[in-house]
Amino acid sequence: AQSVAQPEDQVNVAEGNPLTVKCTYSVSGNPYLFWYVQYPNRGLQFLLKYITGDNLVKGSYGFEAEFNKSQTSFHLKKPSALVSDSALYFCAVRAGEGQNFVFGPGTRLSVLP
Amino acid sequence: EAGVAQSPRYKIIEKRQSVAFWCNPISGHATLYWYQQILGQGPKLLIQFQNNGVVDDSQLPKDRFSAERLKGVDSTLKIQPAKLEDSAVYLCASSGGFNQPQHFGDGTRLSIL
Repeated sequence: AQSVAQPEDQVNVAEGNPLTVKCTYSVSGNPYLFWYVQYPNRGLQFLLKYITGDNLVKGSYGFEAEFNKSQTSFHLKKPSALVSDSALYFCAVRAGEGQNFVFGPGTRLSVLP
Repeated sequence: EAGVAQSPRYKIIEKRQSVAFWCNPISGHATLYWYQQILGQGPKLLIQFQNNGVVDDSQLPKDRFSAERLKGVDSTLKIQPAKLEDSAVYLCASSGGFNQPQHFGDGTRLSIL
């Protein structure tokens, strides 16, 4: 069965500093990986995805993520954090066509001014 | 393009009562999902539709939850009778293909008294 872990409940970073939100996964076969962000009282918003190809994926709002097959990781990164990036971030995995999305438990990012 | 529309945004009922949620997906999206998001957790898939057919309802508590998508567009999710543990945000999402990102509505926050 597929699963996603986000080992940090909370990540704090100062504005202007780089940020990393970690995600590891377990799936049979090649994974389809996604990152979403959730602001208070809102639904999830898509940030980026990895299906195949270049291991470094660029997404919305300056975010990027690196797929590492040997470490089964898909960490979300941003070179310079903004206060407005403060939100809940979810990693999700899908094992392939016909398989469902499995979401991680979420990581709360706080960017301090 | 218009996003995924959900109503109502908030609902408060007493246990053992019934409740229904409505979702209108993005135009042209064949796949529709209903998720349950309990406070502090990631979304959990309840049911997935492809057009008006059910693809996966393995995590839907069928003794009390039901969902339909009769014309392959709008969908309703019903709970009858509600239990205290059903207090959560119910999110609807749609996508244009299996490796395409899901677009989420803002959800319905359900509180059971």
